[in-house]
Amino acid sequence: EADIYQTPRYLVIGTGKKITLECSQTMGHDKMYWYQQDPGMELHLIHYSYGVNSTEKGDLSSESTVSRIRTEHFPLTLESARPSHTSQYLCASRAGTQETQYFGPGTRLLVL
Amino acid sequence: KNQVEQSPQSLIILEGKNCTLQCNYTVSPFSNLRWYKQDTGRGPVSLTIMTFSENTKSNGRYTATLDADTKQSSLHITASQLSDSASYICVVSDRGSTLGRLYFGRGTQLTVWP
Repeated sequence: EADIYQTPRYLVIGTGKKITLECSQTMGHDKMYWYQQDPGMELHLIHYSYGVNSTEKGDLSSESTVSRIRTEHFPLTLESARPSHTSQYLCASRAGTQETQYFGPGTRLLVL
Repeated sequence: KNQVEQSPQSLIILEGKNCTLQCNYTVSPFSNLRWYKQDTGRGPVSLTIMTFSENTKSNGRYTATLDADTKQSSLHITASQLSDSASYICVVSDRGSTLGRLYFGRGTQLTVWP
């Protein structure tokens, strides 16, 4: 079992609200990732980070932003949530020398 | 275009039976292929990882095969259990970037009935 955590696990909010999805790992991994996954669909990379103060956008355009101030934390923020943001958000991490990404349990977001 | 296609999309089998899931990919240059298991409402968990030179790898009742020439992989599950019910995702990594770009299939949804 990987030591990577996401909170909240479920979130229902109204349109226009600002939200932050938390992701933390205790493995000391330098690389971290955020994916978006809709039911029955593949994971899409929306953000990644090579290390502290390093963040990049992924393949799927996203209105969210991320920050990496500390190695173990990689929060994702939506300034103004919309119904189109409804999805599952998965955080992952890996050590620079390893190939395998370890995933968190995910956050299921519903925007009304 | 780099893609990963999985079949079948969904599969229902009886407990104790075997099954085989398929993955075809067009990712190039190829680095490695992973099979992940994703339980409903959870994040994916790695089952196996294979590089170009490996053509079979086992993890308990899970056996993955890889044919790098035809760009095909399969995941064979032996003596299925109710806990095997999950989505099985094929993930291919390329050698084209330091990021280790991952290409995800949509998964095969396996349901094991008692």
